[in-house]
Amino acid sequence: GQQLNQSPQSMFIQEGEDVSMNCTSSSIFNTWLWYKQDPGEGPVLLIALYKAGELTSNGRLTAQFGITRKDSFLNISASIPSDVGIYFCAGFYSGNTPLVFGKGTRLSVIA
Amino acid sequence: SAVISQKPSRDICQRGTSLTIQCQVDSQVTMMFWYRQQPGQSLTLIATANQGSEATYESGFVIDKFPISRPNLTFSTLTVSNMSPEDSSIYLCSAPTGFGEFFGPGTRLTVL
Repeated sequence: GQQLNQSPQSMFIQEGEDVSMNCTSSSIFNTWLWYKQDPGEGPVLLIALYKAGELTSNGRLTAQFGITRKDSFLNISASIPSDVGIYFCAGFYSGNTPLVFGKGTRLSVIA
Repeated sequence: SAVISQKPSRDICQRGTSLTIQCQVDSQVTMMFWYRQQPGQSLTLIATANQGSEATYESGFVIDKFPISRPNLTFSTLTVSNMSPEDSSIYLCSAPTGFGEFFGPGTRLTVL
């Protein structure tokens, strides 16, 4: 089946640094989503991207939908301790088809 | 966005028993999905809960083990049957909307 390659698997950064993570797919998607999951919680939707080339921001978060429709990145600027968690990319092709998830990026922020 | 609640939030169960997890959405949605997230892993789709028809299961998941109900457009249940310790996971329901797919808070299941 479809697979998403998400990297890096984990990151340790200093508070205030910028963070970048990305996902690539073997096939195209029409929508890319980025989620954050805190321990013991369900994933929370951060950003949704609907068009190839789209660049969208949500506060300190910026994500882009790759022009080939096979990749996306998420940037976090000026990281803070509450950014700690696992970030997942996910994609789907059409509205009612299930998501395909990346394996996640575990972010640790050192104060 | 959609607000999704799940019950129970967590449970500890004995081997061989069954647990039914409820998922409630605050608006009508066409599709609902059930996922499993094993410790330290990403989310794996179990099945699509279809209103008015049988659920559609992914490879590796069967109806006898994970029966699903979808009585209306806002509610679904997932039963984990004849549990074993390998079923210890977080179980999540989700619903896609025009703005993206939203998840419930999850049910953390521990099987002893």
